[in-house]
Amino acid sequence: SQTIHQWPATLVQPVGSPLSLECTVEGTSNPNLYWYRQAAGRGLQLLFYSVGIGQISSEVPQNLSASRPQDRQFILSSKKLLLSDSGFYLCAWSVETGGRETQYFGPGTRLLVL
Amino acid sequence: AQSVTQPDIHITVSEGASLELRCNYSYGATPYLFWYVQSPGQGLQLLLKYFSGDTLVQGIKGFEAEFKRSQSSFNLRKPSVHWSDAAEYFCAVNTGNQFYFGTGTSLTVIP
Repeated sequence: SQTIHQWPATLVQPVGSPLSLECTVEGTSNPNLYWYRQAAGRGLQLLFYSVGIGQISSEVPQNLSASRPQDRQFILSSKKLLLSDSGFYLCAWSVETGGRETQYFGPGTRLLVL
Repeated sequence: AQSVTQPDIHITVSEGASLELRCNYSYGATPYLFWYVQSPGQGLQLLLKYFSGDTLVQGIKGFEAEFKRSQSSFNLRKPSVHWSDAAEYFCAVNTGNQFYFGTGTSLTVIP
């Protein structure tokens, strides 16, 4: 069965520090991968998605970036964190079959920027 | 533009009572529809999904949802709510190109 991991689970970082959040998926090949941010326990904001290694699409311009160095690894980064980057970051994967796609989510990383 | 609306930000029900969470979508064709549940501090868990066929779909944890094309709705129901159902519920739509999520409905269950 498929499993998705995210780490760290919780992170407290000072403003201006760098960020690296990692997401890995097991048990599937060539998944679509997504990074979402959820602010204040509310709706989901799509940040990045990837359909393959090295292929990243950005949905919202900001000081975050994403990379996909391996098929089942997705990394969210920042060179300098802002206070507004605080939130709950969710990674998701999906596989499309016959045009039908379902997203499955990881446990999330809570980021607090002080 | 495509969108998903969950009209109820917060709902409170008594344990054992029935539950219905509303979801409406805006899309020209029949979308693929999903309900997810999120417990505090956790990721989203898939409850059920509709792709085609029978418009009443069964999910995990005793939940079901009904797709009504005429009303552009996909409401989530449960006949008897348990205290452990207290969580945030998200409706989502996949148009074939992109996923759209509603803003969520927070469910409180009182004893």
